[in-house]
Amino acid sequence: SQTIHQWPATLVQPVGSPLSLECTVEGTSNPNLYWYRQAAGRGLQLLFYSVGIGQISSEVPQNLSASRPQDRQFILSSKKLLLSDSGFYLCAWSLPGEQYFGPGTRLTVT
Amino acid sequence: AQSVTQLGSHVSVSEGALVLLRCNYSSSVPPYLFWYVQYPNQGLQLLLKYTSAATLVKGINGFEAEFKKSETSFHLTKPSAHMSDAAEYFCAVSWNTGFQKLVFGTGTRLLVSP
Repeated sequence: SQTIHQWPATLVQPVGSPLSLECTVEGTSNPNLYWYRQAAGRGLQLLFYSVGIGQISSEVPQNLSASRPQDRQFILSSKKLLLSDSGFYLCAWSLPGEQYFGPGTRLTVT
Repeated sequence: AQSVTQLGSHVSVSEGALVLLRCNYSSSVPPYLFWYVQYPNQGLQLLLKYTSAATLVKGINGFEAEFKKSETSFHLTKPSAHMSDAAEYFCAVSWNTGFQKLVFGTGTRLLVSP
């Protein structure tokens, strides 16, 4: 069966520091991968998606970037965090007709 | 732009009462519709989905939803609430099943009192 991992589970970082969040998927090949952000009191906002290695599409201009160095690995990065980057970050992958989410990373920027 | 509206950021029910969480979408083309549940500090779990088969969809944990094209709605219901149903619920819409770009509602927090 397919499994999706995210780490770390929680992270507290100062403003201006770099960020790297990792997502890996097991049990499937060539999945579509997604990064979402969930801010307090708001729905999920799609940040990036990828349909293959090295193929990244950005949905929202922002302080973040994404990379897909391997088929089942998706990384969310920032060179310098802003306070507004705080939130709950969710990675997801999809089969035709369904999308599955990881456990999420709670990021607090102080 | 396509959008999803969930009426009510919070819904409170008593244990054993009917649960009704509302979802409306904006589109003239029938989409694919989903309900997800999120427990505190966890990811989203798929409750049920509509993909142009039967309009009444049954999901996990006793939940079901009915797709009503004329009303552009996909409301989530459960006949009898349990304390364990307390969570946040998200309605989501996609207009394709290949590359699946989901548009989410802002969520409804369900509170269940004894």
